[in-house]
Amino acid sequence: AQSVTQLDSHVSVSEGTPVLLRCNYSSSYSPSLFWYVQHPNKGLQLLLKYTSAATLVKGINGFEAEFKKSETSFHLTKPSAHMSDAAEYFCVVSDYNAGNMLTFGGGTRLMVKP
Amino acid sequence: EAQVTQNPRYLITVTGKKLTVTCSQNMNHEYMSWYRQDPGLGLRQIYYSMNVEVTDKGDVPEGYKVSRKEKRNFPLILESPSPNQTSLYFCASSEGQGAGYNEQFFGPGTRLTVL
Repeated sequence: AQSVTQLDSHVSVSEGTPVLLRCNYSSSYSPSLFWYVQHPNKGLQLLLKYTSAATLVKGINGFEAEFKKSETSFHLTKPSAHMSDAAEYFCVVSDYNAGNMLTFGGGTRLMVKP
Repeated sequence: EAQVTQNPRYLITVTGKKLTVTCSQNMNHEYMSWYRQDPGLGLRQIYYSMNVEVTDKGDVPEGYKVSRKEKRNFPLILESPSPNQTSLYFCASSEGQGAGYNEQFFGPGTRLTVL
């Protein structure tokens, strides 16, 4: 069975400082991994995805994530936070052995202080 | 404009009164899915469909029904809603017949309250 754990439910950073949102996954096969962002009162938008190509994945708005199989991690980073990054972020795993189902983490709310 | 639409956006109802939340996409996507979002639990998949007349259960299908008679539409039906189905619901679609590799396009959400 596949599962996702987002290690922090809330992260607070100052504008201009680095962002790190942590995600660990469990999968019985070679997974696909995604990060989605949800701004207040909005639907979800894809930030980036990993599908067994390069382990360092670059996404929109300066975000990137690194797939580390040995650590079963897919942490999301950004060098410098902007106020507009304040949102909720979801790590998602998909494993074909799980029948095309997506499993979401519990979410991390990112707060950016001026 | 490519989009996924849901209606209604907000709904307050009473226990046991059947309701349907509609979902429609204009991108000719094969894969469609319904999720519910609850605080601290992220999104949980209710049902998904890989093509017309092909549906399957997700993680939390109890109390819900779906149908896929046309490619563009994927309604969510609550035959006898209960208060524990109070939640924020999202419909999503993607290309191909699998969620595994493809970006999911999400609708704006439907906030349902069951009294």
